[in-house]
Amino acid sequence: DAGITQSPRHKVTETGTPVTLRCHQTENHRYMYWYRQDPGHGLRLIHYSYGVKDTDKGEVSDGYSVSRSKTEDFLLTLESATSSQTSVYFCAISESRLAGGILYFGPGTRLLVL
Amino acid sequence: DQQVKQNSPSLSVQEGRISILNCDYTNSMFDYFLWYKKYPAEGPTFLISISSIKDKNEDGRFTVFLNKSAKHLSLHIVPSQPGDSAVYFCAASLTGTASKLTFGTGTRLQVTL
Repeated sequence: DAGITQSPRHKVTETGTPVTLRCHQTENHRYMYWYRQDPGHGLRLIHYSYGVKDTDKGEVSDGYSVSRSKTEDFLLTLESATSSQTSVYFCAISESRLAGGILYFGPGTRLLVL
Repeated sequence: DQQVKQNSPSLSVQEGRISILNCDYTNSMFDYFLWYKKYPAEGPTFLISISSIKDKNEDGRFTVFLNKSAKHLSLHIVPSQPGDSAVYFCAASLTGTASKLTFGTGTRLQVTL
């Protein structure tokens, strides 16, 4: 299994509060991704990173920001959490930028915004 | 607009029989397709992939078929086992997109005894 951890694994928060989710990898892969999984939508890309300090938006980036100051860590921040951000969040890593490059996923963080 | 579609939210198959999971896509520029398997409370795990220049790829009990003209792919599992019970996601990617995957909504497979 790829060495990917996510913290926290579960979180309950209130609307309007900031939340930061952490992804840590031990594989030294260059590319990291944040996805969210919701019923009826599958997994949707929030943000991704192609190197330290290099990040870009995915298809559902509104309300989220990311930072990557080290190869091994990729942080996802909800500046002011809303109920629509209740979801399961998955971090993924990849060593290839090419199509067909396999993504390896972390165990997920279940976030509930009340 | 859902570019990758899995129209069957669930499928039930008897142990030992064939499971066929289907996936349709709309973007003809996709050039790699992947299948992921997901157990509850775990992250998705890669299962098998296929390049758009091929029409079949096989790995043990798992075979993926690609029909580009129909923009359709399918995953065959033969024989199905109870441990195959999971949610299966189809995904597609484009060259030069840093392996950004576009996922379908998933099909829950239940393999019964």
